[in-house]
Amino acid sequence: DSGVTQTPKHLITATGQRVTLRCSPRSGDLSVYWYQQSLDQGLQFLIQYYNGEERAKGNILERFSAQQFPDLHSELNLSSLELGDSALYFCASSVGAGIGIEQFFGPGTRLTVL
Amino acid sequence: GQQVMQIPQYQHVQEGEDFTTYCNSSTTLSNIQWYKQRPGGHPVFLIQLVKSGEVKKQKRLTFQFGEAKKNSSLHITATQTTDVGTYFCIIMEYGNKLVFGAGTILRVKS
Repeated sequence: DSGVTQTPKHLITATGQRVTLRCSPRSGDLSVYWYQQSLDQGLQFLIQYYNGEERAKGNILERFSAQQFPDLHSELNLSSLELGDSALYFCASSVGAGIGIEQFFGPGTRLTVL
Repeated sequence: GQQVMQIPQYQHVQEGEDFTTYCNSSTTLSNIQWYKQRPGGHPVFLIQLVKSGEVKKQKRLTFQFGEAKKNSSLHITATQTTDVGTYFCIIMEYGNKLVFGAGTILRVKS
């Protein structure tokens, strides 16, 4: 158990819908990262927040957005869902935000878009 | 953006054989991290390499960072069934964007 929690574990929805994935970092961690893992694209970095502020942006689609709240939990919002958005979404957290910080991954949310 | 090539994509070994995965970049890296993901699980941090030519060991695992800091390897001696999973390297490119290698899937036959 990494100490990072993600809800829900599974989510099944239809194309065109909007969903919200939630992540609670380890106690004391200020950074939250979001990743997408699909069979054909492997692990892709989406976005990083540090202490409430966006710090780095990866391959995140415009239909996706995220935020980190004052209590440091984070949410990833996915809208206008397409079949290709079906994937495992991981959240990770770390103490700091700099280079070479060890990340602790949550168990992931499996999203299925039908 | 910066790319990192990881090879091989897949390796199936007999228990007791050695295993190596490689990550190669066209540019000099500030550091590189290695993670392991068990089947059905989430990535777990293994190690970070920072210095040119650095070699670190964790029991049967040996990690190396090239002299030019453009490549890295993870070597497992005498694989066991508990070693199965996917091994990833991660680099950081300009703008703090994290880039994953494609991963090497290791299967071990007992």
